[in-house]
Amino acid sequence: AQSVTQLGSHVSVSEGALVLLRCNYSSSVPPYLFWYVQYPNQGLQLLLKYTSAATLVKGINGFEAEFKKSETSFHLTKPSAHMSDAAEYFCAVSDLGLTGANSKLTFGKGITLSVRP
Amino acid sequence: KAGVTQTPRYLIKTRGQQVTLSCSPISGHRSVSWYQQTPGQGLQFLFEYFSETQRNKGNFPGRFSGRQFSNSRSEMNVSTLELGDSALYLCASSLRGPYSGANVLTFGAGSRLTVL
Repeated sequence: AQSVTQLGSHVSVSEGALVLLRCNYSSSVPPYLFWYVQYPNQGLQLLLKYTSAATLVKGINGFEAEFKKSETSFHLTKPSAHMSDAAEYFCAVSDLGLTGANSKLTFGKGITLSVRP
Repeated sequence: KAGVTQTPRYLIKTRGQQVTLSCSPISGHRSVSWYQQTPGQGLQFLFEYFSETQRNKGNFPGRFSGRQFSNSRSEMNVSTLELGDSALYLCASSLRGPYSGANVLTFGAGSRLTVL
């Protein structure tokens, strides 16, 4: 079964600083990988996805992630943090179910991003 | 276009009761998935429905059940509630079926259940 590791539960950066949120995955098959963001009292919003095309994936709000197979990583970055980026971020891998369906997502524990003025 | 709508947004129940949560997917989406989010366990997959059939199931006890109607709307039910069932229950819909690969899920805002 696939799994996702997000090291650390909280990251704090200054406004304008680089944002780096780490994600490592475990998968026995080529994975589909996703980053979602959750704002307080809201559901999850898709930031970006990797589907075996380009290894550098650009998403919404200036975020991007790079798929590195040799490192089994899919870290999320943003060159310059904005106050509005404060939220919880989840990395997820598409998981094969018992029936072979591959739309089930396995999520990491999530990382809370704080942005200091 | 309207997003995924979940009702109710908040509810309080007592142990032993049952609860039904509703989810209306984005128009045209035929696949609906349910996830449970708790501080301790994080986001966990409950089940997925496509064309009124359960296609995928997570590792939850039989007290958790769901169904999907012909208009793709879905409900999930939890019977004999326990304190540990307190959670945010998220519904997500997707355009393609569960075997289509890289299926993008669009999530609703969730139903927050508190069990006293």
